[in-house]
Order: sequence, then C-alpha cells, then structure tokens
Amino acid sequence: AQSVAQPEDQVNVAEGNPLTVKCTYSVSGNPYLFWYVQYPNRGLQFLLKYITGDNLVKGSYGFEAEFNKSQTSFHLKKPSALVSDSALYFCAVRDTNSGYALNFGKGTSLLVTP
Amino acid sequence: KAGVTQTPRYLIKTRGQQVTLSCSPISGHRSVSWYQQTPGQGLQFLFEYFSETQRNKGNFPGRFSGRQFSNSRSEMNVSTLELGDSALYLCASRTGDGDYGYTFGSGTRLTVV
Repeated sequence: AQSVAQPEDQVNVAEGNPLTVKCTYSVSGNPYLFWYVQYPNRGLQFLLKYITGDNLVKGSYGFEAEFNKSQTSFHLKKPSALVSDSALYFCAVRDTNSGYALNFGKGTSLLVTP
Repeated sequence: KAGVTQTPRYLIKTRGQQVTLSCSPISGHRSVSWYQQTPGQGLQFLFEYFSETQRNKGNFPGRFSGRQFSNSRSEMNVSTLELGDSALYLCASRTGDGDYGYTFGSGTRLTVV
C-alpha cells in the first residue's frame, strides 16, 4: 500500500527561523506526493505537489519541498517562519490502488512563536 | 471562482438517525471525493465519484454511501449513526483524470450524541 509517515507530532520554531516538517513515503512505483495545511475548523489548503520533474518543488506562501528518492523523503521547508504559519500540516500520497484517493499522514502541528 | 462548498457546516444528530451531507464542487470539476477526519484515525478516504459513477471506495461500512448528480454536486449519506461517526467530513473536487489539483471544502462537522 502507498503510505506516508510524519515522524513528528509537533514542531516548534521561532519566528524568522527556517522550518522543516518531515515526511517519508513508502510506495511502489513513482510517488505522487502532496502537502496540505489545515487551520482550526477549516478544510485543507493545498501547498504543493510532486508528480515528476525537479526535485525541488516550490509552492504557496513561500513553502517548498524537496523530493529525495534515495531517502524516500519529501520534507516541507520554509526559509523564514511566520507566526501565521502555525497550523496542522499533512503530507499525502496518491494511492494508486484506489484511483485518485489520497493517503494522508497523521499530521504535524507547527507552532511558530514570536 | 467559487471554491468547494459544503453544507451544512455543523450538524448534531442522535445515535441511530441518518444524515445527508452536501458538496458542490468547483465549476467544471467532475470528480468529487469524500474524506473523514477524526482525532484517532486521522484523514481517511471514503469514496470518489466521477461523472455520477462511484469509482473507488475506502474501507468503510455500508452505512456510508454517496451519490453524484449530473451537475457534479455530490451527497454523502450515513445511516444508523454511531457515536464514532462524529467527525469532520471533507469533500474535495478536481477536474478529472490526469488532474492532481485536489481542492478541499471547509468541511461539515458532524456530532453524534
């Protein structure tokens, strides 16, 4: 089965510092990987995706992610964190056994302190 | 353009009742998927509809069902509600095959008492 893992329940970072939210994947074949963010009582907002092409993917709100095939990772990064980045972040992979269904990680809560 | 619209935003139902949730996709999107989000199980895929046909179904009991209309709007129905059905139900739409731009709605928060 296609799956992703987010090893950290929570990440704390000071405003202005770089942030990284980790994600590793386990898939057969080429992975289709996604990052979403969720604010309280809201749905999921798309940040970026990797389908094919450059390993460094740039997304919304200054976020980027690096696809690393040898380490089976797809970590989310931002050079300078903002307090408003505090939210729940989900990594997801397309489940090719179920059409276009997404399998999500359990989520990582990011807290950016002033 | 308008996003994915889910109604209602909040629902409180009694155990044993049934409930219907609605999702209106972005104009031009023909695929609608449903997900359940709970603190314990996280985000789980329920089913996907494309052009009024269910294409895939997640590992949920038959109490969970859905349908899609000719205008691509979708409804999800849960019968014989259980306390464990309390969750945020999210709908996502995309244009169709080859499109990986899943756009999610804000969800319907269902509480079963």
